[in-house]
Amino acid sequence: NAGVTQTPKFQVLKTGQSMTLQCAQDMNHEYMSWYRQDPGMGLRLIHYSVGAGITDQGEVPNGYNVSRSTTEDFPLRLLSAAPSQTSVYFCASSYSQGSVYGYTFGSGTRLTVV
Amino acid sequence: GQQLNQSPQSMFIQEGEDVSMNCTSSSIFNTWLWYKQDPGEGPVLLIALYKAGELTSNGRLTAQFGITRKDSFLNISASIPSDVGIYFCAGLNYGGSQGNLIFGKGTKLSVKP
Repeated sequence: NAGVTQTPKFQVLKTGQSMTLQCAQDMNHEYMSWYRQDPGMGLRLIHYSVGAGITDQGEVPNGYNVSRSTTEDFPLRLLSAAPSQTSVYFCASSYSQGSVYGYTFGSGTRLTVV
Repeated sequence: GQQLNQSPQSMFIQEGEDVSMNCTSSSIFNTWLWYKQDPGEGPVLLIALYKAGELTSNGRLTAQFGITRKDSFLNISASIPSDVGIYFCAGLNYGGSQGNLIFGKGTKLSVKP
């Protein structure tokens, strides 16, 4: 059982380039989300999905797109990379059983935009 | 949006000492979660709290969900070197926002020189 798998682990982009960060989970979780982590800022929500075909914006969505064609995958696309998007990106998946939620995070993608 | 104030931002520990950190919010949460993050890894869940007033332990860790639902604390007893890392509180409201986590900015635990 792999949990939440993120690829790549490290990436360097030039300003203006586009790329896709991959996230896959094998736990059949309905909810998936993307966070970015910056020094001193904690984790901030970018986009989330409550199920296949449904996505919504979080706190900091500008410059990012997502889609959810399957339950397992939730890719994050950077349309035109900017230095302000240098960060560590975490994907998470979660289930809900009434009021009980289980969140599992991936190990992160460290992105540098130069 | 909702914000969590987590304190202290950093602290130094000596092996055997007890450690305490807390989170406060301007609005209520239905669930409080405490995570630990090691360098180069994602956050790992330590304790989840689901009811106001709830006190829950996980080994040397104890956390409480405040009565007002606007705060939570985490205590670590008899700290050991592997406790070093960054601890995050997170609040969760299930329902309309479909259970999205709001994170504090973290408390960094380091070993006393």
